[in-house]
Amino acid sequence: QVQLVESGGGLVKPGGSLRLSCAASGFTFSDYYINWIRQAPGKGLEWVSHISTGGSTIYYADSVKGRFTISRDNAKNSVYLQMNSLRAEDTAVYYCARGEGGDIWGQGTMVTVSS
Amino acid sequence: QSVLTQPPSASGTPGQRVTISCSGSRSNIGSNYVYWYQQLPGTGPKLLIYRNNQRPSGVPDRFSGSKSGTSASLAISGLRSEDEADYYCAAWDDSLSGYVFGTGTKVTVL
Repeated sequence: QVQLVESGGGLVKPGGSLRLSCAASGFTFSDYYINWIRQAPGKGLEWVSHISTGGSTIYYADSVKGRFTISRDNAKNSVYLQMNSLRAEDTAVYYCARGEGGDIWGQGTMVTVSS
Repeated sequence: QSVLTQPPSASGTPGQRVTISCSGSRSNIGSNYVYWYQQLPGTGPKLLIYRNNQRPSGVPDRFSGSKSGTSASLAISGLRSEDEADYYCAAWDDSLSGYVFGTGTKVTVL
């Protein structure tokens, strides 16, 4: 079954860190680039970061640049999002999505930044 | 922040045709493909249209996409109650070097 499963979300204090994981199964993971997209409670979708198939091309939204780091391990069929210096405005459900247009999305993992 | 502008809401009765617009600029819609997503209540987004007007397998042909210049639109024909959802457009933005999403449109079936 083709799927992406996010994990690693939780409650963290402002200034803290979290590492999200996106585990892929059912397809050749190394053939696809991956995007992270987030959705704050009751709000719209916001693109966060992109990583190419081999990890050599990476992009970030201005809102997370310098604080978040995306990486991937094709041997483990996984993509990671290291989130540092977290702020209240980073509170959201974080989704990973596969390839062009995001033809497969995970179920999301909730990140809450609050004291 | 949303760079693509959509109407906040749209509605229709069962069987009607509803159209949702998505307005951007030369650096995003004007230069790149447009994608559309459907988000049913309490669920994650689902790709509805890719490359302006292509439907992934399994998406009914009641859904269609088009693009002209710096704008795009999604049409839902033969509206059904299960189409009640939020719809988002998206495109790559060359100036931002990232994807931008639309503000989202809530479709209500009356």
